[in-house]
Amino acid sequence: DTEVTQTPKHLVMGMTNKKSLKCEQHMGHRAMYWYKQKAKKPPELMFVYSYEKLSINESVPSRFSPECPNSSLLNLHLHALQPEDSALYLCASSQVAGTSYNEQFFGPGTRLTVL
Amino acid sequence: SQQGEEDPQALSIQEGENATMNCSYKTSINNLQWYRQNSGRGLVHLILIRSNEREKHSGRLRVTLDTSKKSSSLLITASRAADTASYFCATQQAGTALIFGKGTTLSVSS
Repeated sequence: DTEVTQTPKHLVMGMTNKKSLKCEQHMGHRAMYWYKQKAKKPPELMFVYSYEKLSINESVPSRFSPECPNSSLLNLHLHALQPEDSALYLCASSQVAGTSYNEQFFGPGTRLTVL
Repeated sequence: SQQGEEDPQALSIQEGENATMNCSYKTSINNLQWYRQNSGRGLVHLILIRSNEREKHSGRLRVTLDTSKKSSSLLITASRAADTASYFCATQQAGTALIFGKGTTLSVSS
């Protein structure tokens, strides 16, 4: 299984809502990533988990809260978002983080709209 | 912050033609990777070239790397309509995360 799955595919939420994005992989990868991508822009790294521990937080606002319950799952909890947070949220995994020569496997993304 | 800068930003060609995209970067790297993204979907890894390699092939893809000029090129030969997508280069320094360039949008018409 070389797939990264993400749910939901689409999410519309109000600024006072709390929601979660989910990501799953069964490739035995020990590194997982969250990216944010705005239209016609490249992905921007948000968080990196390595062996289920948060290793990189790219100064992301606290209204985004990542969680890695186990080596196969990665969640992104959303609370009190702003309309400018509307974007495609991509999850990725790789064998190990922090080493060289790592290709990343991406999920299809969650299209988030904040009203 | 973005390290890579692709050129051109957009490219339109006919099926069967070759497509060449370039990527320039600013700092020393450990490897450079190319990814493809179909409209509004996830990225697909195409090829990785290490800093001590100069050229790599994979099917219809050819990637070159010139570390003295801090640049790379991706050549897609005999393009097909299915190659229509955005293409991103991504650089990696030792022990760090990938940094993506701004991307090239390729349109292949039949």
